[in-house]
Amino acid sequence: KQEVTQIPAALSVPEGENLVLNCSFTDSAIYNLQWFRQDPGKGLTSLLLIQSSQREQTSGRLNASLDKSSGRSTLYIAASQPGDSATYLCADFNYGGSQGNLIFGKGTKLSVKP
Amino acid sequence: GAVVSQHPSRVICKSGTSVKIECRSLDFQATTMFWYRQFPKQSLMLMATSNEGSKATYEQGVEKDKFLINHASLTLSTLTVTSAHPEDSSFYICSAITGTGNYGYTFGSGTRLTVV
Repeated sequence: KQEVTQIPAALSVPEGENLVLNCSFTDSAIYNLQWFRQDPGKGLTSLLLIQSSQREQTSGRLNASLDKSSGRSTLYIAASQPGDSATYLCADFNYGGSQGNLIFGKGTKLSVKP
Repeated sequence: GAVVSQHPSRVICKSGTSVKIECRSLDFQATTMFWYRQFPKQSLMLMATSNEGSKATYEQGVEKDKFLINHASLTLSTLTVTSAHPEDSSFYICSAITGTGNYGYTFGSGTRLTVV
């Protein structure tokens, strides 16, 4: 059974700090890895998608990396802002079936203090 | 970009009643849609995969007679929670892919179901 683990479960930082969220996965045949943001009571917002052939993706202040050999991905947030406060989820996409499936971690709850 | 509209965003129902949740792709054809459920402090869990025009594929442990999924068109999938009970209270989210490209997912905004 494939698993995705996120550490830490919660993180609180002062505004302006750079931070790293960690995600590890057991799937050796990962197709892609995605990072999502979830605000309380809201649906998911896709942040970054990294194909298995890629090492990293960047969008604004966000940078996600992927290391298939070690089964790890990181989400780097630069110059954090209070508006970044949310739960961040990573998900491993694999081909378990004709159209594949996403396996989610439990998320890291980020709180950025003004 | 691709947009998935999910409705309602919040619903409270009495135990024993049925609730229908709609998931619509607004500007693309969704050949495949997924339904997830999230309990507090837990991961999103896939409930079922629905393909337009065919029966949904349910994950192990998900009762297909309780969670009825209909994907009658390329832009609409519905999830009906039948005879809802308090333990069905959860956050339900749908997502869609177009069947092409790099399998990026587009998610609905979610539905908070509370059964009293």
